[in-house]
Order: sequence, then C-alpha cells, then structure tokens
Amino acid sequence: EAGVTQFPSHSVIEKGQTVTLRCDPISGHDNLYWYRRVMGKEIKFLLHFVKESKQDESGMPNNRFLAERTGGTYSTLKVQPAELEDSGVYFCASSQDGWGGPADTQYFGPGTRLTVL
Amino acid sequence: AQSVAQPEDQVNVAEGNPLTVKCTYSVSGNPYLFWYVQYPNRGLQFLLKYITGDNLVKGSYGFEAEFNKSQTSFHLKKPSALVSDSALYFCAVRGSGSARQLTFGSGTQLTVLP
Repeated sequence: EAGVTQFPSHSVIEKGQTVTLRCDPISGHDNLYWYRRVMGKEIKFLLHFVKESKQDESGMPNNRFLAERTGGTYSTLKVQPAELEDSGVYFCASSQDGWGGPADTQYFGPGTRLTVL
Repeated sequence: AQSVAQPEDQVNVAEGNPLTVKCTYSVSGNPYLFWYVQYPNRGLQFLLKYITGDNLVKGSYGFEAEFNKSQTSFHLKKPSALVSDSALYFCAVRGSGSARQLTFGSGTQLTVLP
C-alpha cells in the first residue's frame, strides 16, 4: 500500500511569489490534514478535510493560505503571496476513519521544505 | 487547550543501554497519546499510541511507552538502544472532544553512540 506522498520535496521561492504544495493521501482515507513545522519548533496544525469538506481550518495563519481538496482525493495548499515567515516544512497526513475519531492514527507524508527568500 | 512538553531537546545514550524520551501532556478529558519518529530526510513515522486500557503500550522497532495518568506523562522507552534508533522523536496528544488535530511537542533528538 502506498503511503502519503507530497510534491515537491523542496521549494525555494522569493518573497511575494506563489507556491502550491500537493498531497496525495493513502487511498481510501477520508481524512486529510495539513501541518507545518517552522524554524525547528513544534509541528502545528493547519487544517483538516473530511473528504472534500473543510472540517476545521482553525490553524490556518491568514488568508494568504488556501487549501483545497478536489473530489475528496488529493489536496493542494497554496501560499500567495509568500512571506519570509512562511518558510518551514509542510506535512500532510491522512487517516482512515470516516469521522476521524480521536483514536484514529494519522499517517504522515515526507513533507515539503519551503524556503522563502 | 491541549499541550505537550518534551523537556529534553537532546538525549544521548550508549548503544545497548536503555533509553527514555520524556513527554508530559495537558488535555481536557481522556487523552489519546502518540509517538512519531522522523529519520533524516524522511517523514514522520507512527511508532505507537495509547487509547485506553493497559498503561504499557508496545509499538514498532521494540519501542514501548508508559502512560501515567497521575503524572500526565507518556514516556517513550526501549530496553536496549541501537545506533539506528538515532532520530527525532515527537510526542503528540489529542483530546476526546470534537477537534481531530494532533498537538505536538517540540521534539527530542535522540543520538545513540556506538
């Protein structure tokens, strides 16, 4: 079974540019999560999809971030325009449970390292 | 609000010795506790989780963790460390409320010395 995949693995852009990150969850997983780790600090939650619906986007830092999950399959996270403080590692995770119960295990992708210059 | 503390940024242990990576948590209601490991240039890999029941949870690669409700701790342990265990370890918690996101600690870098 293929794991969670993310593309690209690295992205270097200049301040003000736009970047789109992609996540492909494990096949059949209804729940998809985005997290990020900035400057070696804690991994912070960004948002949670159940199928194509945004269940919780309380962690999104501001309106420069836009996440979509078309058709309930893969998801994209767009940062527009990027700022210096957006640099970090963006992780995607998926889980199987239809309603994302608290005991449900999240499986993580390898992450995308974003550097904004 | 829920939180996780990993008090040690770095833990060094000699190969063959037991290892412990510490984690304490704060959450409303029943806690659901997880350990993940990140090897260099890899993603987070799930190690084990505590849901309910037995306080000693066994996971992948010979790791185990002990849940202690009175001390609100969930320390990761292994009886005999391997050099290949060297990695970054994250503890995470999720409460029993409606929110489904994990709250992570800041991570502990484990180095096993040959």
